[in-house]
This record gives sequence, structure tokens and C-alpha cells, in this order.
Amino acid sequence: KNEVEQSPQNLTAQEGEFITINCSYSVGISALHWLQQHPGGGIVSLFMLSSGKKKHGRLIATINIQEKHSSLHITASHPRDSAVYICAVSSTNYGGSQGNLIFGKGTKLSVKP
Amino acid sequence: GAGVSQSPSNKVTEKGKDVELRCDPISGHTALYWYRQRLGQGLEFLIYFQGNSAPDKSGLPSDRFSAERTGESVSTLTIQRTQQEDSAVYLCASSLAGGIDYGYTFGSGTRLTVV
Repeated sequence: KNEVEQSPQNLTAQEGEFITINCSYSVGISALHWLQQHPGGGIVSLFMLSSGKKKHGRLIATINIQEKHSSLHITASHPRDSAVYICAVSSTNYGGSQGNLIFGKGTKLSVKP
Repeated sequence: GAGVSQSPSNKVTEKGKDVELRCDPISGHTALYWYRQRLGQGLEFLIYFQGNSAPDKSGLPSDRFSAERTGESVSTLTIQRTQQEDSAVYLCASSLAGGIDYGYTFGSGTRLTVV
């Protein structure tokens, strides 16, 4: 079992729909990151959170530490939101220097006009 | 600089040749990471530098892979005797401090193709 699991793997939505991407993890963490990878490969860090909720524009990220679960929400989705969304955790269990992020496999989102 | 800069952006090399990939982190970022993403796969950790500490090399897949960093600036990732399975996008990221609750800034990556 992967230490970071995302669902769904693929998601197709119509423009304007509310989108939720889920991330569950099985390790102790100091922080959870949501990343966006554009079709050209570039990666942008969207959120880093260790508790509660953060909002940036139409994007909202929440985390429940007790349940080891995070969600990324996109309101009023737009075709330009089409990308791969990656959940990654900074693990406190990692037997090393904590330089390692543990990545989920990503959720490929396609928003149709 | 304003962001993390990687060069070259694309590299095609023949099997068996050595390649060097370069990463210029954001000025002042003490932590630098290398990741690899093979086609259709997720991101794999390769190596992590934090200041003057010994690097965490636990993600390097074989002894053909090595990386260096000069102080808190440029890093080079070297792959010797390249193999076709080394074909991937190599991503570099930096953060203000290492391993804890600081955001990461990624470079655009180097797409390596071994033919």
C-alpha cells in the first residue's frame, strides 16, 4: 500500500463544476503539500498546510490530522484548471534527514468548456 | 534569481554517455532537492542538500548517479554511463530551509532522453 493515496486518479468535469480531490496518508507528517503540474511539466506549489484550511482564489485545501486526510477543492472550475494535482507529505517517519517528500501518484483533472 | 532555474531544458544523449544537469536554486534557499519523473509515473526523490550538512543520497537509484552542490548555490546532477531507463524529467526544487514546514519552489525540469 502506498503511503500517500489520492483519489480519483482521473477526473473529468464541466466548466463551472465544484471539484474535490482527496488525499489520504498513512505516515506521521509535519506538513502536507498540494502541487499542480501543468501539461508542459512545470510544477507549482499550491498549498502547504499542517492543520485546518487554506484558501487561495478558487482553491481551498483542508486537512484533518486525526483522520490523516486532506482535500483540495476547486470552485467554479475552468478549463485552465486542467492539470495533474499532486499531494505530497513531509513525513516525520522518514528514517533520514526529512528531506524527502512522499508523493501521491497524482489526479489528472480535465475541465471541459 | 526569481525562480529555480534548470539547464538544459532538454537533453538527448546516446546510451553509455555521461550527462550533467544543472540547477540554480532561489538565492537564500538553503535546501535543494532533486526528483525524477519517468513518463506516466509519479515523482521520485533522488537527493537532498541542506546547507553544509551531508546530503541525503538515499533516493539515488544506482552508483551511476551523483550530485554535488557548491555551498548554498548551484547543484549539478551527474548520470554516468546513461541507460535508456534513465530517460525522465529531472526536477529540482529549493526551499528556504530543509525538511520542515517550508514551501517548495520547483524548476521547469530537464527532459532527458537516452537513445
